[in-house]
Amino acid sequence: AQTVTQSQPEMSVQEAETVTLSCTYDTSESNYYLFWYKQPPSRQMILVIRQEAYKQQNATENRFSVNFQKAAKSFSLKISDSQLGDTAMYFCAFMIGPQGGSEKLVFGKGMKLTVNP
Amino acid sequence: EAQVTQNPRYLITVTGKKLTVTCSQNMNHEYMSWYRQDPGLGLRQIYYSMNVEVTDKGDVPEGYKVSRKEKRNFPLILESPSPNQTSLYFCASSLQGFAGYGYTFGSGTRLTVV
Repeated sequence: AQTVTQSQPEMSVQEAETVTLSCTYDTSESNYYLFWYKQPPSRQMILVIRQEAYKQQNATENRFSVNFQKAAKSFSLKISDSQLGDTAMYFCAFMIGPQGGSEKLVFGKGMKLTVNP
Repeated sequence: EAQVTQNPRYLITVTGKKLTVTCSQNMNHEYMSWYRQDPGLGLRQIYYSMNVEVTDKGDVPEGYKVSRKEKRNFPLILESPSPNQTSLYFCASSLQGFAGYGYTFGSGTRLTVV
């Protein structure tokens, strides 16, 4: 079974600083996807960034980037120039590739990020 | 607007009183799924459906039922709710074979069972 571990339950950062959220996962599959979802107080689940395992290049989306270490099964999220609106729960998630069948998203336990003014 | 619509947004009920949480999507997605979110546990899959009339259990199916009579609708049924089903529930959908691009989530249903 696939597992996703977010070891830091809570972090805080000052506005405009950079913060890194850690995530590790365990799988024997070679084709899979990794995701970071953001859940602000509105509780909407918002996709922040995704990474395809077969791509060596780390994904970036504006101020958000990942450090994907496939051999170490590590998938950290870096938020640059933190903004107050980044305050949210962040979930790391994993999915086996389409041939795996179920297309099930497996989530970590989440991490609460607070950006302070 | 492409979206997943869940109703109700908030629900307080009493133990044993049957309830249904509705989920509807307008994107012609084949895949739909229900998750529950609990503090310290993240989101866990309850049931999923790969297409009409095809449903299967997720990781925490006990106490829940689902049906998929139409492609767009995937209701979650609690026949005899108990307090341990107090949780935040999410419905999600994706296009079959394209879930790797991410799910579309509903806005969530906060259920309290007293």
